[in-house]
Amino acid sequence: QSALTQPASVSGSPGQSLTVSCTGTSFTYNHVSWYQQHPGQVPQLLLYSVTHRPPGVSSRFSGSKSVNTAFLTISELQPEDEADYFCSSYSSTGGPSWLFGGGTKVTV
Amino acid sequence: QIQMMESGGGVVQPGKSLTISCVVSGFRFSDSDMDWVRQAPGKGLEWITIISYDGGKKDYSDSVKGRFTVSRDNSKKTLYLQMNSLRPEDTAVYFCVKEGFDTWGGKYFDHWGHGTLVTVSA
Repeated sequence: QSALTQPASVSGSPGQSLTVSCTGTSFTYNHVSWYQQHPGQVPQLLLYSVTHRPPGVSSRFSGSKSVNTAFLTISELQPEDEADYFCSSYSSTGGPSWLFGGGTKVTV
Repeated sequence: QIQMMESGGGVVQPGKSLTISCVVSGFRFSDSDMDWVRQAPGKGLEWITIISYDGGKKDYSDSVKGRFTVSRDNSKKTLYLQMNSLRPEDTAVYFCVKEGFDTWGGKYFDHWGHGTLVTVSA
């Protein structure tokens, strides 16, 4: 069974940029999305279809993808960006329909 | 606005059954594929099941296949998850999640309920 692999933690200073990776072997087309979860809160959609931001999400959050790895970049880090970040991918080619990465704790 | 409210969680003994539900409003439920995603205490997100907009297609993660059953009642705008043969490792917050899709067919989870806690313990 395929899986999505994220680093357990990443840290940065206010104003800096950081990147979170998500490596997998089952990315289907552009079905990659990212979710932000603050402690005790519900996950919130951050990016969808690799690069697209829902209304209300800051332009400081951006996404990209290579062959087997998706990336979330947070620019101009702010204290409120400290949270857990999860990548996810939908697959229509066998195996589980959806996969999540293990999550990355971002510390500012 | 979109609202999704789970209910039915609680403490249940190992091997027993429990059904949780999710009532939604603010969107066309009958047009939306829906999922259940769970999160064990202090752990990450785990997808467990999907049901198509009309209930005609379902899929499950290996961890719950054969024990859990997803269903929906579009007339009541309600999603259900029947959980049988519960195990301690099923202890988690269970989120009801709406799927969205973009112009190019990209899929994602665009709205999440607040979750209901299921604790499996003797």
